[in-house]
Amino acid sequence: DIQMTQSPSSLSASVGDRVTITCQASQDISNSLIWYQQKPGKAPKVLIYDASNLITGVPSRFSGSGSGTDFTFTISSLQPEDVATYYCQQYDYLPREFTFGPGTKVDLK
Amino acid sequence: EVHLVESGGGLVQPGRSLRLSCAASGFTFDDYAMHWVRQAPGKGPEWVSGITWNSGNTGYADSVKGRFTISRDNARNSLYLQMNSLRSEDTALYYCVKVALLWGGFDSWGLGTLVTVSS
Repeated sequence: DIQMTQSPSSLSASVGDRVTITCQASQDISNSLIWYQQKPGKAPKVLIYDASNLITGVPSRFSGSGSGTDFTFTISSLQPEDVATYYCQQYDYLPREFTFGPGTKVDLK
Repeated sequence: EVHLVESGGGLVQPGRSLRLSCAASGFTFDDYAMHWVRQAPGKGPEWVSGITWNSGNTGYADSVKGRFTISRDNARNSLYLQMNSLRSEDTALYYCVKVALLWGGFDSWGLGTLVTVSS
C-alpha cells in the first residue's frame, strides 16, 4: 500500500506570506496527486489535480508541482480565507487503494 | 449541478450492521466510478471503498475489507455501502464522492451521513 506523508502538520503565517506544504509518497505515483482544501464543517474541495493543474475557478495564488514521490503545494500570498486544512491524496485505479495524506493545518499568525 | 445526498447513518451498537445510500443527480451516473470516503471526528479523510461505472471492479481499504460491501444501481442513480460487524473505529462522517472524468481524484462530494458505533 502507498503511504502519504505531509509536512508540516501545521503552520501559522501572516497575510501576504508565501506558504509551502510538501507531500511525499512511499513509492512512485507519477503525477497522480490531488490537493484538497477543507474548512471546518465542510467537505474537502479539490484545488489541484494531477499534481500541478489548477481547477477552474480556483485562485491563481494556489499552485502545485512535483512528480514521482515528492510534491509541493504553494500559496503565493496567503489570504484570510485560505485558513483551512490542506490534504494531498494519491489516486490509482480500482481495485487499488487511494490514500490521503495526514493534512496540514494553516492558520493566521 | 452535481448533487450527492447520503442517507442511512445513525447510532448503532458494535457488531451490528448499517446500509448507507447515496442518491446522485445532475450528471450521467453510469459514466462515473463512485467512492465512499469517511472522516472520523477531528481526523483527516480516509478512503473507504470504490466501484467502477459498471460494477466490474471494486476496492476496499484494508480497515474495512471483508466487512463492508459497495454496490450501485445505475437504474436508480444510487450508490450503497453495506457495513457489517461495525466497530467503534468506524464512527465517522461518511461521504459519497464522484470521480472526475479526466483525472482520478474526487471532484464532487456529498454533505455526508454520520455513523456512530457505540453501545
